[in-house]
Amino acid sequence: EVQVVESGGGLVQPGGSLRLSCAASGFSLSTYWMHWVRQAPGKGLVWVSHTFADDTYYGDSVKGRFTISRDNTKNTLYLQMNSLRAEDTAVYYCAREHDSFDIWGQGTMVTVSS
Amino acid sequence: QAGLTQPPSVSEALGQTATLTCTGNNNNTGNQGAAWLLQYQGHPPKLLSYRNNNRPSGISERFSASRSGKTASLTITGLQPEDEADYYCSVWDSSLNAWVFGGGTKVTVL
Repeated sequence: EVQVVESGGGLVQPGGSLRLSCAASGFSLSTYWMHWVRQAPGKGLVWVSHTFADDTYYGDSVKGRFTISRDNTKNTLYLQMNSLRAEDTAVYYCAREHDSFDIWGQGTMVTVSS
Repeated sequence: QAGLTQPPSVSEALGQTATLTCTGNNNNTGNQGAAWLLQYQGHPPKLLSYRNNNRPSGISERFSASRSGKTASLTITGLQPEDEADYYCSVWDSSLNAWVFGGGTKVTVL
């Protein structure tokens, strides 16, 4: 079955760091653009970042603080989040891009609070 | 960064037709096919349509997408109770070098 499963969310203090993981199965992550999209409680979807090979792009709100990467041997996508702020509180989804966002995980919740 | 404009809510009667709109600019909806996603409360989004009117396998023909100028549209015919959800449009913005989403439209079936 083609799927992605996120993990690594949790409660972190402002200014702290967290690394999210997205384990892919049923397909090779290295052959697709892979994305992180977030959704604050009760709000809409916001694109965070995507990567393919050595190309990476970031949304303005996370540029310079978040880093997307992948380990093709583990078929896993990562999102390193530093200097976290209260406004980063959201469910973070991993999504595959094949004819747009065709595969989504269940998401992992990140809460930034003291 | 600039997003896409969607009406917050649309309500139509059971069995009727609902049309959702998504307006951007010449750097996104004006030159790229938009994707449409559906999201039920507490669940991840699900792809309904991509590059204007291509449907993934398993998506009902009651969902059809189109584009005119800078506005993308999603038409839902024969509204069913299970169509009550939030709907988002999304497209690559060639000026921002970023994907942008609309704010979402909540569809209510009366």
